[in-house]
Amino acid sequence: AQTVTQSQPEMSVQEAETVTLSCTYDTSESNYYLFWYKQPPSRQMILVIRQEAYKQQNATENRFSVNFQKAAKSFSLKISDSQLGDTAMYFCAFMKQGGSEKLVFGKGTKLTVNP
Amino acid sequence: GAVVSQHPSWVICKSGTSVKIECRSLDFQATTMFWYRQFPKQSLMLMATSNEGSKATYEQGVEKDKFLINHASLTLSTLTVTSAHPEDSSFYICSERGGPTDTQYFGPGTRLTVL
Repeated sequence: AQTVTQSQPEMSVQEAETVTLSCTYDTSESNYYLFWYKQPPSRQMILVIRQEAYKQQNATENRFSVNFQKAAKSFSLKISDSQLGDTAMYFCAFMKQGGSEKLVFGKGTKLTVNP
Repeated sequence: GAVVSQHPSWVICKSGTSVKIECRSLDFQATTMFWYRQFPKQSLMLMATSNEGSKATYEQGVEKDKFLINHASLTLSTLTVTSAHPEDSSFYICSERGGPTDTQYFGPGTRLTVL
């Protein structure tokens, strides 16, 4: 079975600074996807970024980028130029490729951006 | 990404009554939808996978007769909490998996309070 570990229950960062959230996972699968989802106080789950395991290039979405280390099974999220609106719970998730596969979530990291 | 709606967003009911939560895919025909439960300050817990036109697949420990799932069309899945009790009070979230990227997109969630 796959597991996802987020070792930082809470983090804080000053506005405009950069912060990195950690995520490690365990799997014997070769083909899979990794995701970061954001859950702000509204509790709406929002997709932040997605990475296919077969791609060596790290995914980026504007101020959000990942450091995907397949051999180390690590998938960290870097948020640049942090904004107050980035304050949220961040969940790392794993999904096997193919079929009606389900997401396996980490326990989440609560990020607070301070003015 | 895909747009998913949930109705109602908040419901309060008396113990012993049944409550139906609707999850609609607004811009995509979702053959697979997922239902999650989230307790305060915790991660999402998958309850069941809902497939259009067939019976839902429930996760271990989830009572099928208590949490009835129906996926009668490609755009609508419903979760009915039968004979609700205070311990069923929680935040329920649905998601759809669709498009070429196998990404899950989430509804805004439903807060259920059972008195």
